[in-house]
Amino acid sequence: DGGITQSPKYLFRKEGQNVTLSCEQNLNHDAMYWYRQDPGQGLRLIYYSQIVNDFQKGDIAEGYSVSREKKESFPLTVTSAQKNPTAFYLCASSMRGEEQPQHFGDGTRLSIL
Amino acid sequence: AQSVTQLDSQVPVFEEAPVELRCNYSSSVSVYLFWYVQYPNQGLQLLLKYLSGSTLVKGINGFEAEFNKSQTSFHLRKPSVHISDTAEYFCAVSTTGTASKLTFGTGTRLQVTL
Repeated sequence: DGGITQSPKYLFRKEGQNVTLSCEQNLNHDAMYWYRQDPGQGLRLIYYSQIVNDFQKGDIAEGYSVSREKKESFPLTVTSAQKNPTAFYLCASSMRGEEQPQHFGDGTRLSIL
Repeated sequence: AQSVTQLDSQVPVFEEAPVELRCNYSSSVSVYLFWYVQYPNQGLQLLLKYLSGSTLVKGINGFEAEFNKSQTSFHLRKPSVHISDTAEYFCAVSTTGTASKLTFGTGTRLQVTL
């Protein structure tokens, strides 16, 4: 079955440490997205990519970085510059076009030790 | 820029009762509208979408929504809810020229009890 795989499901970070969240899709989608979810705030867009080797900042990109070297993969790095990284992170993908629905992975919950 | 308002953060309802989850949007251009459902510790699943045409759209799990352009609303309804409908529901909007980006509401927690 096609879908989006996020790993790990739970991740713990020490102060001053960078961590990378994995997102892989086998839906042959061109566009991929990273969202941060906090209680009562809905989903906020961190970064998105419409094509390989190209990506754009979303609404809350500070303290995060991404790469898009392959169509299937869109890893997110939470850097030490992100002062409040504890959250639920969701990866999504879609065909290109504003009418296309996004498909979501099951998320990674990041916590600070 | 577009925005989405979900008027109720929580909606308690008894099993087999009808429910309506409210969503209003703001946009100066034509919109595409979506409802997603999220079960605990999971990602979002598409319930239904409005792209154009008939203003009443039907989705999965017996849900439907009505697009009202004059009131800029896209309320989600179900005539009879089940315990398994307990989840968080998100309304989202995209518009032309936004590179497929979605703007989400803050979500409505539907709590179904016996």
